[in-house]
Parts: sequence; C-alpha cells; structure tokens
Amino acid sequence: DAGITQSPRHKVTETGTPVTLRCHQTENHRYMYWYRQDPGHGLRLIHYSYGVKDTDKGEVSDGYSVSRSKTEDFLLTLESATSSQTSVYFCAIFSGNSYNEQFFGPGTRLTVL
Amino acid sequence: GIQVEQSPPDLILQEGANSTLRCNFSDSVNNLQWFHQNPWGQLINLFYIPSGTKQNGRLSATTVATERYSLLYISSSQTTDSGVYFCAVDMNNAGNMLTFGGGTRLMVKP
Repeated sequence: DAGITQSPRHKVTETGTPVTLRCHQTENHRYMYWYRQDPGHGLRLIHYSYGVKDTDKGEVSDGYSVSRSKTEDFLLTLESATSSQTSVYFCAIFSGNSYNEQFFGPGTRLTVL
Repeated sequence: GIQVEQSPPDLILQEGANSTLRCNFSDSVNNLQWFHQNPWGQLINLFYIPSGTKQNGRLSATTVATERYSLLYISSSQTTDSGVYFCAVDMNNAGNMLTFGGGTRLMVKP
C-alpha cells in the first residue's frame, strides 16, 4: 500500500459542468501522475507533477488542467466535461529514491452524460 | 514516442496450466514494470524489471533489454490470476512517465 487515495471514487456528471478529481498521498512522494484508462486500452498519461507547483503535460492533456499546491495533493480538473472524458482516472506516485516503481491509486470512474 | 505491444491480447487457461505473456517495445528503456489489473480494477505491481530475471512465487519475469522485449511467466495458474496484465515502459528517468501496452486479458477457468 503506497498510501494513495482518490476522491470521489465514482462520479456521474453532465456535459459542460466542471469536475475536479483529487489524489492524496501520505508518504511525501515527489512525483505524482494522472492517467486515464479507456475500454480496450492501457493507461495514458494526462499530466504529471515533479514538485509543488511544478507540472507538465502528458500524452492526452487537452481538456484537462492540474494543480499541486502542496506535496500530498494533486488535483485534476475538467473545466467543461465532455462525453469523450468518460473514463477511469488513475493517480500514481513515484518517489525516485529507494525504488523506481510507480504505484497506483484505486481509480475514479467518471461518467459524463 | 515509444511503442509497446503485448501479446497475446486474450488468453484462456485451465486452472493449473502455465502461460507466457510477451511485451515488445520499440526503443531503449530505463524502466519496465508489469502490472496485474484485477477484476475490480485495481492495478497491482508485479515486477520492476528493466533488465534481467526476477521471480515472485508462481510468477517470474525476464527482460532482454538489448532485444527490446520482456516476458511474464505464470505457472500453475489459479482463478485469482484472472484479469488484465499490463507492461509499461519509460525511456526518460527524470520524469518516469510510463507508456503502457494494450494489455493481455487472462481468464483462468476452474
């Protein structure tokens, strides 16, 4: 258990509404990531953070923004949700110190109607 | 970007059988991980294996970095092994951004 929680775990929303997903970690890891998983696909990177207020885009960043105001929290925001953003969203951490693995949170299932 | 291909895409086994899953990648990597996604959607770390061989119980993995592939072996399969197995790689150590393969969906029948 890498001490990662995600909230909410499930959310149904309507097209055009803003949505914020939260990733919280308890072990002071420097790197945090947001991925999305769609049916029949592996995970794809949306955004990542390499420190407080330090973020960068991933492969599928269009329509998403992120913020990291403190080490333990990494927020993913859909400013105006679209049906194409219906997906399962996973947060991950990487410490880069004693081990080189990414560990994943439990996921958030988002449905945009 | 780097391409990651996994085979086979689907696999059905009888309990007790052995299997080999393959991951091919198109460029040199600094990080390679194998994950198991269980039927509840949870991603479980199996191996961190950018090169060499590791074993953990009934599972083992081998990565031949010079030939750009990795193999995951499952022996004496159990119904709890069912789910999707993902290989993920990273070329750049600085950000450790993973690129995932499409996965192998495994079903183990009792």
